[in-house]
Amino acid sequence: AQSVAQPEDQVNVAEGNPLTVKCTYSVSGNPYLFWYVQYPNRGLQFLLKYITGDNLVKGSYGFEAEFNKSQTSFHLKKPSALVSDSALYFCAVRDPFRGSARQLTFGSGTQLTVLP
Amino acid sequence: DAMVIQNPRYQVTQFGKPVTLSCSQTLNHNVMYWYQQKSSQAPKLLFHYYDKDFNNEADTPDNFQSRRPNTSFCFLDIRSPGLGDAAMYLCATSRTGEQETQYFGPGTRLLVL
Repeated sequence: AQSVAQPEDQVNVAEGNPLTVKCTYSVSGNPYLFWYVQYPNRGLQFLLKYITGDNLVKGSYGFEAEFNKSQTSFHLKKPSALVSDSALYFCAVRDPFRGSARQLTFGSGTQLTVLP
Repeated sequence: DAMVIQNPRYQVTQFGKPVTLSCSQTLNHNVMYWYQQKSSQAPKLLFHYYDKDFNNEADTPDNFQSRRPNTSFCFLDIRSPGLGDAAMYLCATSRTGEQETQYFGPGTRLLVL
């Protein structure tokens, strides 16, 4: 079975500082990995994904994530945080080798607060 | 812009009174999903349509049903809402062959009185 862990419920960072939101995963094969962001009372917004190739993936709004196969991690990063980045962040995984199964498995979410 | 649209954004219903939530998409995606999300928890997949094929999750209550009359529209029917069904309901779409990246609508927040 596939699973995702986001070990931090809450991350606080000062504006202008780098931010990291952690994610580790477990799948039987090579994973498809995703990050989504959710603002209050809104749907999930796609940020970036790793499918194959370069381990460093760049996405929307200056976010990037690094796939680390040996550590089974896919941490989300941004060099300089903005107050507007404050939101709920979800990591998700899909095992592409699970036949016709399409479901994403989401982590529990990390609330990011960027302090002015 | 191509997008996933959900109506209404907020829905208030009474305990036991049937309610229907709607989702439409202009992305021409062949897969559509319905999720339930409570209190900033992870979204929970209820079911999905792969083209016309309906796929129900094993733990989705019978109280939840879905219809997909055509590629663009999908409906979530809650036959007898209980207080525990108050949640955000999210619709998402994806296209086969694009690593199934899912794109979400803004959600409908359901309140059950």
